[in-house]
Amino acid sequence: TQLLEQSPQFLSIQEGENLTVYCNSSSVFSSLQWYRQEPGEGPVLLVTVVTGGEVKKLKRLTFQFGDARKDSSLHITAAQPGDTGLYLCAGGSESNYQLIWGAGTKLIIKP
Amino acid sequence: DAGVIQSPRHEVTEMGQEVTLRCKPISGHDYLFWYRQTMMRGLELLIYFNNNVPIDDSGMPEDRFSAKMPNASFSTLKIQPSEPRDSAVYFCASRVSIRAAEQFFGPGTRLTVL
Repeated sequence: TQLLEQSPQFLSIQEGENLTVYCNSSSVFSSLQWYRQEPGEGPVLLVTVVTGGEVKKLKRLTFQFGDARKDSSLHITAAQPGDTGLYLCAGGSESNYQLIWGAGTKLIIKP
Repeated sequence: DAGVIQSPRHEVTEMGQEVTLRCKPISGHDYLFWYRQTMMRGLELLIYFNNNVPIDDSGMPEDRFSAKMPNASFSTLKIQPSEPRDSAVYFCASRVSIRAAEQFFGPGTRLTVL
């Protein structure tokens, strides 16, 4: 059974601080996606990484896929209140059409 | 495109009543997924369809749950009879093809069963 573990489960920090969220598995994934979900809305895709070691940047967000494609990280620089939300990672495999979802990291950025 | 549309946005019902949730996927998307999200269990896949055909319903909790997709633009998730433990946010998501992993989510239906 494929599992994705996210850590931390909850993070509350001050505006301007940096943070890193982790997504780990013992399984290999062909792709890893990061979604952000705001209260009252569905998850929205931020990025997809597909190559081991790949790094993608989205403004102040940096996403990395592990070399072995078993883990990923999301780093936010100078967090802002607008970054508040639930961050979900989801792993995909070439053999199926489902995504394996992590439990999420609830992030609160205090002004 | 308007994105994935779900209705109703909120539903409050009493235990034992039938509940029907509705979803209109993005036009041209071949896959449709129904998820349930709770604080305790996170996001759980209930069932998904490919070209209107149910492919995997192993996530459906029990026989009280059923889903249909009569055509490419409409799907329903029905709970009969509903129970308080069914209270959750139910999401519908669509995906353009098997090659594209991104799923597009609707805004969800918040179900409360009293």
